[in-house]
Amino acid sequence: AAGVIQSPRHLIKEKRETATLKCYPIPRHDTVYWYQQGPGQDPQFLISFYEKMQSDKGSIPDRFSAQQFSDYHSELNMSSLELGDSALYFCASGINRVPTDTQYFGPGTRLTVL
Amino acid sequence: AQSVTQLGSHVSVSEGALVLLRCNYSSSVPPYLFWYVQYPNQGLQLLLKYTTGATLVKGINGFEAEFKKSETSFHLTKPSAHMSDAAEYFCAVSGNNDMRFGAGTRLTVKP
Repeated sequence: AAGVIQSPRHLIKEKRETATLKCYPIPRHDTVYWYQQGPGQDPQFLISFYEKMQSDKGSIPDRFSAQQFSDYHSELNMSSLELGDSALYFCASGINRVPTDTQYFGPGTRLTVL
Repeated sequence: AQSVTQLGSHVSVSEGALVLLRCNYSSSVPPYLFWYVQYPNQGLQLLLKYTTGATLVKGINGFEAEFKKSETSFHLTKPSAHMSDAAEYFCAVSGNNDMRFGAGTRLTVKP
């Protein structure tokens, strides 16, 4: 079965640079969630989109922005990168913003900021 | 607001022994509860979930969890641990449109 695809899998950037992470949800899933997992920490919710509109916002820094496109893929744009942004970034997809529905997680993008 | 607390950041069991990972939740609305497993350098994989109905939920790899409203708990169990169960386990609650994770419990299985 198709799963959530994230690219790139690994990314190395320097401070103050920008980064773009991409997420391709499972086919027919209309909701995308972004999470940040710091080293040894639990995933923290950043932001979610339903039908190309932002639906919820968590602890996403102002330096970050995201959007969902007409084909339902999503991109997380990160600017003015800081050392503390080094983390594993997960994308998850689901259906209809239903909280009972399972969120299916991608393999993550590991971002390292030097 | 919803939150979960996982008791014990590290649990170590012998192969073949009972696995018990504890999770307590806090929710102002009926909670939807999940257990995910994360293997090193991998994403989160759903083990099981509770939404409504039967309070004993069976998941993959022989895991199960019981929703106890009176105790606000959703502990994860497995009768007999395998070496392959060694991983990080996250309890999570969803009541709105995001998911709140616990801090995680690292399970170690000794031969």
